[in-house]
Amino acid sequence: QLQLQESGPGLVKPSETLSLTCTVSGGSISSSGYYWGWIRQPPGKGLEWIGTIYYSGSTDYNPSLKSRVTISVDTSKNQFSLKLSSVTAADTAVYYCARDPYKSSGRALDYWGQGTLVTVSS
Amino acid sequence: QSVLTQPPSVSEAPRQRVTISCSGSSSNIGNNAVNWYQQLPGKAPKLLIYYDDLLPSGVSDRFSGSKSGTSASLAISGLQSEDEADYYCAAWDDRLNGWVFGGGTKLTVL
Repeated sequence: QLQLQESGPGLVKPSETLSLTCTVSGGSISSSGYYWGWIRQPPGKGLEWIGTIYYSGSTDYNPSLKSRVTISVDTSKNQFSLKLSSVTAADTAVYYCARDPYKSSGRALDYWGQGTLVTVSS
Repeated sequence: QSVLTQPPSVSEAPRQRVTISCSGSSSNIGNNAVNWYQQLPGKAPKLLIYYDDLLPSGVSDRFSGSKSGTSASLAISGLQSEDEADYYCAAWDDRLNGWVFGGGTKLTVL
């Protein structure tokens, strides 16, 4: 059974960089046809896609966050990571990582981590 | 402002049927598969419907999905109190080159 687990600091100061890691177990992050993504959800609000990475390192980012986001992958550790720079209170959210299979029939974020709350505050 | 449009809330009595709509455009729903997620309080979203109308293993067949043009719908029949949750639609957007979501619909079982 595939499992994803987010990890990282739960509190980040304004203007600093938020860093999270997603560890994948029960499957290989290097499997062909699978992308891996980050999604966030501010308290009491809806879901927002942050970005997606392929094991080769190819990325897609939400244009609204692109200037501040970096997503990277470490296939040796079966992990992918998120860095969001110059954070403000508006970046306070539950951050989820998810698997994103790409098939001829379409795409779906099918497996999700449990999420981790990151609060931006001094 | 979400790219996909959902009603903020719906409510219906137990054992009845409810539908939740999701409206988009040609760059997302009109050209790509729609997925639906159920989010229980304090939990991660769970894939409920994928590729417009397919049920993942283990999901009750009381849930069904459909799509026509640039709109999609989620139907839940035989409503139960455990169905109270937030429901989100999602689709890949070719213009954004990324995922877009609906704003979410809160289902209340009266």
